[in-house]
Amino acid sequence: DAGITQSPRHKVTETGTPVTLRCHQTENHRYMYWYRQDPGHGLRLIHYSYGVKDTDKGEVSDGYSVSRSKTEDFLLTLESATSSQTSVYFCAISGSPRSYEQYFGPGTRLTVT
Amino acid sequence: TQLLEQSPQFLSIQEGENLTVYCNSSSVFSSLQWYRQEPGEGPVLLVTVVTGGEVKKLKRLTFQFGDARKDSSLHITAAQPGDTGLYLCAGGENSNYQLIWGAGTKLIIKP
Repeated sequence: DAGITQSPRHKVTETGTPVTLRCHQTENHRYMYWYRQDPGHGLRLIHYSYGVKDTDKGEVSDGYSVSRSKTEDFLLTLESATSSQTSVYFCAISGSPRSYEQYFGPGTRLTVT
Repeated sequence: TQLLEQSPQFLSIQEGENLTVYCNSSSVFSSLQWYRQEPGEGPVLLVTVVTGGEVKKLKRLTFQFGDARKDSSLHITAAQPGDTGLYLCAGGENSNYQLIWGAGTKLIIKP
């Protein structure tokens, strides 16, 4: 299994508060992704990174920001959490996007009350 | 916007039966992948198919990529309770190297 961890695994927060989720990898993969998974929607890409300090927006980036200061860490921040951001968040890594093969972390279940 | 439609959305069958899950699109993909996800875990890559008409087998699971590279199927022979999970297909597009995801098929195999 690829070495990917996510923290926290579960979080409950209140509307309007900032929240940061962390993804840590030990595979030295260049590409990292943040997805959210909601019933009936499958996986939707929030942001992705193609190197240290290189990030770009995905399909559902509004209300989210990311940072990548080291190869191994990719942070996802909800600037002001809303109830619509209640979801399960997954981090994924890839050694080469041309292969399209992504390896996923265990997920973070976030509830915004 | 490219879309991948999976069918059925939900399938519950008895152990020992065969089943097929479909992943369809009107767009052409450079590759297609199948993932399996268990409750509380992230998706796990099962297979990647890249050539039109390609067939890959993984024990009792058979994956096929359509000749036109617009669709794929997953066939499970003699399903077992351990096959229970959410099966996701994802298509790779060359323009930005991102994956387009289907919504998934939730499969339950009853003992």
